[in-house]
Amino acid sequence: DSGVTQTPKHLITATGQRVTLRCSPRSGDLSVYWYQQSLDQGLQFLIQYYNGEERAKGNILERFSAQQFPDLHSELNLSSLELGDSALYFCASSALSGNEQFFGPGTRLTVL
Amino acid sequence: QQQVKQSPQSLIVQKGGISIINCAYENTAFDYFPWYQQFPGKGPALLIAIRPDVSEKKEGRFTISFNKSAKQFSLHIMDSQPGDSATYFCATRSGAGANNLFFGTGTRLTVIP
Repeated sequence: DSGVTQTPKHLITATGQRVTLRCSPRSGDLSVYWYQQSLDQGLQFLIQYYNGEERAKGNILERFSAQQFPDLHSELNLSSLELGDSALYFCASSALSGNEQFFGPGTRLTVL
Repeated sequence: QQQVKQSPQSLIVQKGGISIINCAYENTAFDYFPWYQQFPGKGPALLIAIRPDVSEKKEGRFTISFNKSAKQFSLHIMDSQPGDSATYFCATRSGAGANNLFFGTGTRLTVIP
């Protein structure tokens, strides 16, 4: 158990809908990262927050957004969902911006 | 563009054998090279990591070999066990202030009893 929690574990929704994925980092970790894992794209970095502020952006679509709250939990919002958004979404956390990242169990999103 | 290339895609090893997974990168700014292990239905778990100022790091049965001039690094699993059967990902991180990881495409390891 990495200490990173993610909810929900599974999410099934329809095209065009909007969903929110939630992540609680390890106790004391200030940095949160979001990754997408799909069969065709592998593990891809989406976005990083550090102590509430956006730190880095990767291959994140404009339909996706994220934020980190004062209690350090983070939410990833996915809107106007398409079939191709079906994937595993992982959250990772680290103590400081440059330290080892520990991954949560993921949220499996299925868009029908 | 794949920042790190990983091979092989799959690997079958007898119990007690040595498993070797290779990765190659191009960007010399990368400053951190972790390996992650992922079991089905679970998130990736950090296994072992190395920085480019050393050529080898060993933790138990797991060893990273790092060749800076060739821009290659590899994971060696000694005395492979059926419990090691999982997907292994190499990763790299840019040293230019960015901390996100670039992952390889993964190697599915199967250790046969």
